[in-house]
Amino acid sequence: KAGVTQTPRYLIKTRGQQVTLSCSPISGHRSVSWYQQTPGQGLQFLFEYFSETQRNKGNFPGRFSGRQFSNSRSEMNVSTLELGDSALYLCASSAPTGDKVDTQYFGPGTRLTVL
Amino acid sequence: SQQGEEDPQALSIQEGENATMNCSYKTSINNLQWYRQNSGRGLVHLILIRSNEREKHSGRLRVTLDTSKKSSSLLITASRAADTASYFCATDEDDYKLSFGAGTTVTVRA
Repeated sequence: KAGVTQTPRYLIKTRGQQVTLSCSPISGHRSVSWYQQTPGQGLQFLFEYFSETQRNKGNFPGRFSGRQFSNSRSEMNVSTLELGDSALYLCASSAPTGDKVDTQYFGPGTRLTVL
Repeated sequence: SQQGEEDPQALSIQEGENATMNCSYKTSINNLQWYRQNSGRGLVHLILIRSNEREKHSGRLRVTLDTSKKSSSLLITASRAADTASYFCATDEDDYKLSFGAGTTVTVRA
């Protein structure tokens, strides 16, 4: 099976702009999670979607939003970009097994740089 | 906020030696997972241990879990240069949410 894919891989934006990142999960996986990774804060959970419903959300401002489509593909959007939004954004998919959190399969990430 | 804390933050060992890293967490869990990350790339799942398990093996990896101490350890035996990476523990402190520790950076010297 193909792994989790994320597009684009690299992105440079300026403050105030908005950005949309895309994630295609492993075929058959219906849960998609997003994480932000920075040197200072480490890996922080953004949100999780299952069957187009957000089931949990991390402690991020409303500028960060996401959605999931009927084919399980997911997008996240960051509006009014700030310098501190520069980070590696990781998407992960999983096949629900009944656990609170299942094994996550990560994509390569999108490196966002805000100038 | 981060649920887990890894110790040490960094580790440098010679090829062939064993590497041990520890993880402590704060709340009760159903399972604990370990992941590896190479040079800012995506994370790779290594092993999952459930709260009712005390030890688990996978190849050269050995994970222990002590729920009374809220801690886990990851042992990599007979390390190789390819084991150079950052290692993270992660717990299910909340439904559908994986909480990661700060990670341990392991460098294996040839």
